[in-house]
Amino acid sequence: NAGVTQTPKFQVLKTGQSMTLQCAQDMNHEYMSWYRQDPGMGLRLIHYSVGAGITDQGEVPNGYNVSRSTTEDFPLRLLSAAPSQTSVYFCASAGQGDYEQYFGPGTRLTVT
Amino acid sequence: GDSVTQMEGPVTLSEEAFLTINCTYTATGYPSLFWYVQYPGEGLQLLLKATKADDKGSNKGFEATYRKETTSFHLEKGSVQVSDSAVYFCALSDPLNAGGTSYGKLTFGQGTILTVHP
Repeated sequence: NAGVTQTPKFQVLKTGQSMTLQCAQDMNHEYMSWYRQDPGMGLRLIHYSVGAGITDQGEVPNGYNVSRSTTEDFPLRLLSAAPSQTSVYFCASAGQGDYEQYFGPGTRLTVT
Repeated sequence: GDSVTQMEGPVTLSEEAFLTINCTYTATGYPSLFWYVQYPGEGLQLLLKATKADDKGSNKGFEATYRKETTSFHLEKGSVQVSDSAVYFCALSDPLNAGGTSYGKLTFGQGTILTVHP
């Protein structure tokens, strides 16, 4: 099993550009989520999904969109990047009834 | 809402020293508590967990006890190694605020950077 994979590993965007951060898991997990990690603030939940076709907002959803068309994939879209979105982004997944969330290696995004 | 507060870092120790990282929480329900570890350049890994009051989670020489009366989940290790250098995150999952699911949303503390010198 590859676990949770994320692409790209690094990305630089200019203000106003759009992009999609990819996340995939091969563990047949129902639950998937996106976090952003900023210095001194821990990880904050952006969006999450409890199954295909079901998504909901987390703590900091503004500026981000998600969709869940399959169990395996949970992409995060930035429609118009802003410097405030410079961060490290982590995707995570968990199985039903499983307290442990499995994290991907992260995507480091810089918006200039 | 739910929140997690960790002791301010960074923490710098010599090898074989005793480690304590304090963690306190507020939650509206009966949360599960976790410690995650992030090694340089990697994602987070679960270190240990406790799902009810008075439970003790332990792994790799680390341990933490779920104290409901003090709303705390302090991380301890009796003798740290250089390889323990990492960022440690305390987190909670409160099913009451996660649609009743046991794998609900995680609320994280700000993280504590630990550096262990030989």
